[in-house]
Amino acid sequence: QQQVKQSPQSLIVQKGGISIINCAYENTAFDYFPWYQQFPGKGPALLIAIRPDVSEKKEGRFTISFNKSAKQFSLHIMDSQPGDSATYFCAAPNTGNQFYFGTGTSLTVIP
Amino acid sequence: DAGVTQSPTHLIKTRGQQVTLRCSPKSGHDTVSWYQQALGQGPQFIFQYYEEEERQRGNFPDRFSGHQFPNYSSELNVNALLLGDSALYLCASSTFWRPTGELFFGEGSRLTVL
Repeated sequence: QQQVKQSPQSLIVQKGGISIINCAYENTAFDYFPWYQQFPGKGPALLIAIRPDVSEKKEGRFTISFNKSAKQFSLHIMDSQPGDSATYFCAAPNTGNQFYFGTGTSLTVIP
Repeated sequence: DAGVTQSPTHLIKTRGQQVTLRCSPKSGHDTVSWYQQALGQGPQFIFQYYEEEERQRGNFPDRFSGHQFPNYSSELNVNALLLGDSALYLCASSTFWRPTGELFFGEGSRLTVL
């Protein structure tokens, strides 16, 4: 079974700082790697995703960097805000829109 | 446009009982997947339904079963509940013929087994 290793488990960042979360995967059936954001009491919601025909994708303050040869990808949150405080999950795809999720990173942004 | 809706939001059961959770997918979606999220963990895939058939299954015992109805809504049934079944059960909808598309999650059903 696919393993998706995510780190760190928790992260505390000052407002305005950069948050970096890393993921490593073993194998994948497709090239599509999403990051999901989950607030307490809510289901995960897609934050940003990359198809690795590119090595980087940026949407606003959020950037995914992808290293296909190393089977690693990371999420960078620039100018982190208290509203970004949430749990973040990376995911790697299996067949048929099934995903293996990482264990999550709890991000706290201190005002 | 209604998103994914799940019911009930919270429920408490005792060991050995059975539970049924319900999900209505996002409008336009035809595929429902169920995930189990234990406290402090990432979602784990249970199974996926399309055209009223189980299409894929994760590493979960037969106590976990499901159903999809003609209107694409779905149920998750868990029999002979164990303490370890306590978790947030998430329903995710998608489009079957878009294999690497976005999953839309509901807010989940929080199951506590005593």
